[in-house]
Amino acid sequence: LAKTTQPISMDSYEGQEVNITCSHNNIATNDYITWYQQFPSQGPRFIIQGYKTKVTNEVASLFIPADRKSSTLSLPRVSLSDTAVYYCLVGDTGNQFYFGTGTSLTVIP
Amino acid sequence: DAGITQSPRHKVTETGTPVTLRCHQTENHRYMYWYRQDPGHGLRLIHYSYGVKDTDKGEVSDGYSVSRSKTEDFLLTLESATSSQTSVYFCAISGGSGDGETQYFGPGTRLLVL
Repeated sequence: LAKTTQPISMDSYEGQEVNITCSHNNIATNDYITWYQQFPSQGPRFIIQGYKTKVTNEVASLFIPADRKSSTLSLPRVSLSDTAVYYCLVGDTGNQFYFGTGTSLTVIP
Repeated sequence: DAGITQSPRHKVTETGTPVTLRCHQTENHRYMYWYRQDPGHGLRLIHYSYGVKDTDKGEVSDGYSVSRSKTEDFLLTLESATSSQTSVYFCAISGGSGDGETQYFGPGTRLLVL
C-alpha cells in the first residue's frame, strides 16, 4: 500500500515557481500519481495526474522520475490565490488511497 | 465541477445516536469513497465502493458502515456516534469514462458529536 510523504509547509513569494515533492516508495505498477489542492472548508480539487515522465496542463507540471518513487508538482509564478494545502495521492482506481497530511503552501506578497 | 452532493452539510448529534450521511452523484461513476479529515491527519479513507452492493474497508473503517443500493447513492452510517467521530466527512467519486483515475470530491459534511 503506497503511503506518501510531503513537507508539512512551504512559503513562497508571489511570482516565483514553487516545487513540492512527494515521496511514495511503495508505489505499485498500476498506481497513478495525482495532486490535489484544498482551500479551507472545501473539498480537494484535482490539479494534475501522471503515470511517468512529465505531464503539463494549464495550471501545473508534474515530474515523475523513472523509478516513480517520488514526484514533484511545479506551480509556475504563484499568486496569493495559490495559498492552499496540496496533497499527493497514489493509487489505482478502486483500491486503497492514502492522502497523507499534505503541504501547506503560503504565498507571500 | 462534478455533480456530487452531500447531505446534510452540517450536523450536531449526541454520543450514542445513529447518524447517516448521504453522498449523491449524477455522473454515473462506478467508484465512490468516504473520507474523514481531521487536523494533523489529512484525509483518511473510511470505506469505498466499486459497484452497487460492492464495498470494502479503508484505513479507518472501525465504527462505520456503508451501503450502496444504487449507482448514484453511497451512504455512510455511524451506528453509535462517539466524540472521536467528530470530523469533516468528504465523499468522492471516480471511474468516469476516459478519466478513470481522478477522484472528484463533494463539498463535505461537518459532524459534531457532543
